[in-house]
Amino acid sequence: DSGVTQTPKHLITATGQRVTLRCSPRSGDLSVYWYQQSLDQGLQFLIQYYNGEERAKGNILERFSAQQFPDLHSELNLSSLELGDSALYFCASSPGLAGGPHIQYFGAGTRLSVL
Amino acid sequence: GENVEQHPSTLSVQEGDSAVIKCTYSDSASNYFPWYKQELGKRPQLIIDIRSNVGEKKDQRIAVTLNKTAKHFSLHITETQPEDSAVYFCAASRGRVGGGATNKLIFGTGTLLAVQP
Repeated sequence: DSGVTQTPKHLITATGQRVTLRCSPRSGDLSVYWYQQSLDQGLQFLIQYYNGEERAKGNILERFSAQQFPDLHSELNLSSLELGDSALYFCASSPGLAGGPHIQYFGAGTRLSVL
Repeated sequence: GENVEQHPSTLSVQEGDSAVIKCTYSDSASNYFPWYKQELGKRPQLIIDIRSNVGEKKDQRIAVTLNKTAKHFSLHITETQPEDSAVYFCAASRGRVGGGATNKLIFGTGTLLAVQP
């Protein structure tokens, strides 16, 4: 167990819908990262938050958004879902303290199926 | 842009043989290179990492080498066992000392390692 908790484990929804994925980082970690893993695209960085602020953005679609709350948990919102959004979504966390770079620990992922 | 190439995409070895996976990165500012192992349907798990101020690192049967000039790094697994069978991902990061600001990982495309008993 990495200490990073993601819910739900599985999500099945229809095209056009909106879903929210949740991530609780390891205790004490300030940085949260979101990655998308699909068969044809591999593991792709989406977005990073550090202590509540957005710090880095990857190839995240405009239909996707994220935020990190004061208790440091993060949510990834996916809207107007398309079939191609079906993927495994991973959250990772790292300490974000001086002396980096730091190891990123991954959660178990949320498997999203868009039908 | 930032890119990490990984080869081979599949690798089949006999139990006890060695396996080598190679990666090349494009961003010369990258300074952190982790390797993750992912079993089917599971989370990526860090198996070893190396920072740019080190040329080689070893942990039991696993070693990683880094050639900064050529922007290459490699994973070496010796005395392979069936439980080493998984997908292995290399990654590169422009980690910044002094804060976890931009440690996003750029991943290679993965190598499916099959260790035949």
